[in-house]
Amino acid sequence: DAGITQSPRHKVTETGTPVTLRCHQTENHRYMYWYRQDPGHGLRLIHYSYGVKDTDKGEVSDGYSVSRSKTEDFLLTLESATSSQTSVYFCAISEDQNTGELFFGEGSRLTVL
Amino acid sequence: SQQGEEDPQALSIQEGENATMNCSYKTSINNLQWYRQNSGRGLVHLILIRSNEREKHSGRLRVTLDTSKKSSSLLITASRAADTASYFCASRGVDDYKLSFGAGTTVTVRA
Repeated sequence: DAGITQSPRHKVTETGTPVTLRCHQTENHRYMYWYRQDPGHGLRLIHYSYGVKDTDKGEVSDGYSVSRSKTEDFLLTLESATSSQTSVYFCAISEDQNTGELFFGEGSRLTVL
Repeated sequence: SQQGEEDPQALSIQEGENATMNCSYKTSINNLQWYRQNSGRGLVHLILIRSNEREKHSGRLRVTLDTSKKSSSLLITASRAADTASYFCASRGVDDYKLSFGAGTTVTVRA
């Protein structure tokens, strides 16, 4: 299994509070992604990173920010959580942006009350 | 927007039978990939087919790609209970940095 660790794996929080999810990899892959998974929607890309301090928005980036200060860590922050952000969040990594497969973490289940 | 769409949404078969699921996508692709997700787990890559390939095999998996119809199919032969999972197609556009996933097909294999 690819060395990807997500933390926390489960979190319950209240509307309006900030939340940070962490993705840590030991594969030294350049590309890292944050997806959210919701019933009926498959996986939707939130943000991705193509190198240290290099990030870009995905299709559902509103309400989320990311940071990547070192190769192995990619942080996803919800500045002020809303109930619509209740979801399962997956981090993925890839060695090759154009052709390669993604390796996924085990997911972080977030519930916003 | 979602690039890939799977059909059917759900499939229930008997152990030993074949399972076929289809995926359609909207724009020209560089490659198309299939992933499996067991309940409560992350996605696992199964197979990748490039835009210039028409068919690919990996063990009991067979993937076809028809770029003229913008569609792909995944066939699992001689299914086992352990094949029970959700299956997702994901397409990468020609000038796109990301994989776009469909909503998935949930396959249940009955013993």
